[in-house]
Amino acid sequence: AQKVTQAQTEISVVEKEDVTLDCVYETRDTTYYLFWYKQPPSGELVFLIRRNSFDEQNEISGRYSWNFQKSTSSFNFTITASQVVDSAVYFCALRSGANSKLTFGKGITLSVRP
Amino acid sequence: DTEVTQTPKHLVMGMTNKKSLKCEQHMGHRAMYWYKQKAKKPPELMFVYSYEKLSINESVPSRFSPECPNSSLLNLHLHALQPEDSALYLCASSQTERAGTGDYGYTFGSGTRLTVV
Repeated sequence: AQKVTQAQTEISVVEKEDVTLDCVYETRDTTYYLFWYKQPPSGELVFLIRRNSFDEQNEISGRYSWNFQKSTSSFNFTITASQVVDSAVYFCALRSGANSKLTFGKGITLSVRP
Repeated sequence: DTEVTQTPKHLVMGMTNKKSLKCEQHMGHRAMYWYKQKAKKPPELMFVYSYEKLSINESVPSRFSPECPNSSLLNLHLHALQPEDSALYLCASSQTERAGTGDYGYTFGSGTRLTVV
């Protein structure tokens, strides 16, 4: 079985603040893939990042950074200097082993106020 | 072309109507998916097609009928729906069903917002 927990449901910050979105996952497989998606009000799921279980290297892309820690089964996402355009629902997702099903967390609604 | 295109964007239908949702991609992806998303909930997998064959049906009621006429096109035929079927229906594609290996995972369309009255 695979499970993704996003304990935070709603986060509100003021523009230019840094914000971290938490993601904890569960799987018994040694091979798995983790994803973050952004869903703006328009509805489209926008791919942000994919990480496989053999690559614990953290990644930075502009204002976005991801911290993957297998020891704590976490894959946290930090937005530095947040902007109003970052307001959206953010989903962490997991696909593990031979299972083609993508399991989503419940999502975190991020509101960035001017 | 790196998009998944879904039509229509919005659909209102009565419980006795028959309608279809359409999804198209031209990225050469051989796996295509239908997800259902209720308000303030995560997407839930409905169907997976792999090489134009139905691979996974997540115990979806028969009033939803998927079809994959070719490798670029995925349809979802709707008949005798209930008001509780109102949701955002998302289509996605990936290079193969084993997405995540050597590619960038799943590409999602912007969805069809369905309202059943």
